[in-house]
Amino acid sequence: SQKIEQNSEALNIQEGKTATLTCNYTNYSPAYLQWYRQDPGRGPVFLLLIRENEKEKRKERLKVTFDTTLKQSLFHITASQPADSATYLCALSNSNSGYALNFGKGTSLLVTP
Amino acid sequence: DTAVSQTPKYLVTQMGNDKSIKCEQNLGHDTMYWYKQDSKKFLKIMFSYNNKELIINETVPNRFSPKSPDKAHLNLHINSLELGDSAVYFCASTRKSRGVTDTQYFGPGTRLTVL
Repeated sequence: SQKIEQNSEALNIQEGKTATLTCNYTNYSPAYLQWYRQDPGRGPVFLLLIRENEKEKRKERLKVTFDTTLKQSLFHITASQPADSATYLCALSNSNSGYALNFGKGTSLLVTP
Repeated sequence: DTAVSQTPKYLVTQMGNDKSIKCEQNLGHDTMYWYKQDSKKFLKIMFSYNNKELIINETVPNRFSPKSPDKAHLNLHINSLELGDSAVYFCASTRKSRGVTDTQYFGPGTRLTVL
């Protein structure tokens, strides 16, 4: 069965450091991989999308890599700030699911001053 | 302006009741979804509608029935509520039609508590 795993449930880092979150998947051939941010009591908010034929995408302090051989995506937040504290969700989609998102369980990031 | 809105935000009800959650998007999107987030925060797709047509119906009890009166609305009706239905339900929409994907915009969620 399809499985999407995010490496840790919680990650604590110091302000200014780079946070690296991991998403691994099995038994899945994603056409797209997306990262979302979710704050308590709110819906997920889109951050970045990367296609299966792309290796890397950047947006401001955010960077995502996608390795379809390793079946892994890495999500980096550079120069992290306390405001980056949230849960980050990895989501995969392909035509089989009508491009509905299949989410990992998320990683809760805490950035301390 | 709210892009994707849901009502109500909180819903507390007794087991066995029937309830509805409403979702509206003002983004002009073609595709809308319902997701369920359980107590362990796991977010799972339930239904997907494209231009008022059901295109995904995951393994969801038939007590759950989505209804799309038009492209901008996708409501969720739940019959004979059970304790296990307690969760946060999110509506989402996306611009693209079948064959491609785009970012999804999520509503604020409806927290359903079944007593």
